[in-house]
Amino acid sequence: IVLTQYPDTLSVSPGERATLSCRASHSISSNLAWYQQKPGQAPRLLIYGASTRASGLSARFSGSGFGTEFTLTINSLQTEDFAVYYCHYHGNWPATFGQGTKVDVK
Amino acid sequence: EVRLLGSGGGLGQPGGSLRLSCEASGFTLSTFAMSWVRQAPGKGLECVSAIGGHGGGTFYSDSVKGRFTISRDNSKSTLYLQMNTLRDDDTGVYFCAKGHANGWFFFDSWGQGIPVIVSS
Repeated sequence: IVLTQYPDTLSVSPGERATLSCRASHSISSNLAWYQQKPGQAPRLLIYGASTRASGLSARFSGSGFGTEFTLTINSLQTEDFAVYYCHYHGNWPATFGQGTKVDVK
Repeated sequence: EVRLLGSGGGLGQPGGSLRLSCEASGFTLSTFAMSWVRQAPGKGLECVSAIGGHGGGTFYSDSVKGRFTISRDNSKSTLYLQMNTLRDDDTGVYFCAKGHANGWFFFDSWGQGIPVIVSS
């Protein structure tokens, strides 16, 4: 399974909404996770099963999609949300990642 | 609180070996799948190896199959990655990651990252 994320970079103003996309080369049902990674830090699980929020995650983050097209939406972007986001196929091995989308300040 | 503390790594020679360790606390290591995920400098994430929970199998990416071995010592609550026949493109930061209760291959806790540099 190859995951392609778009755009590569998304420039957003604080308080606005960010919409990130991930396309799978074949149908993966809902076996998709999203992670956030900040410089020098380990990734952090945000979403799994395409739409289930990880424990303690703000409701500003939401995931949707099924099959080959998936979306991560971040509402009312806060300063701490500027980071790189990866989608991740988790249905079977090999568990592949997308190349990442960097969300930066507009 | 779940904690994963990575160690080992450092500088390795091409063709040489290194062993990474990841000490787990706050949960029972044997009951969860664990993985190693690496990140080359300035690049994205790559799952290189996983070991299933409850005696499940082991898994390797094509890039490390036959050279790396994942294992764990449940009595020490420690996960290992034995890295042999090192290549330049093994350079990167290696994260140990805990599988979620609802799935082996997505990760709800991560170690701090272990830098590995392969160079002569």
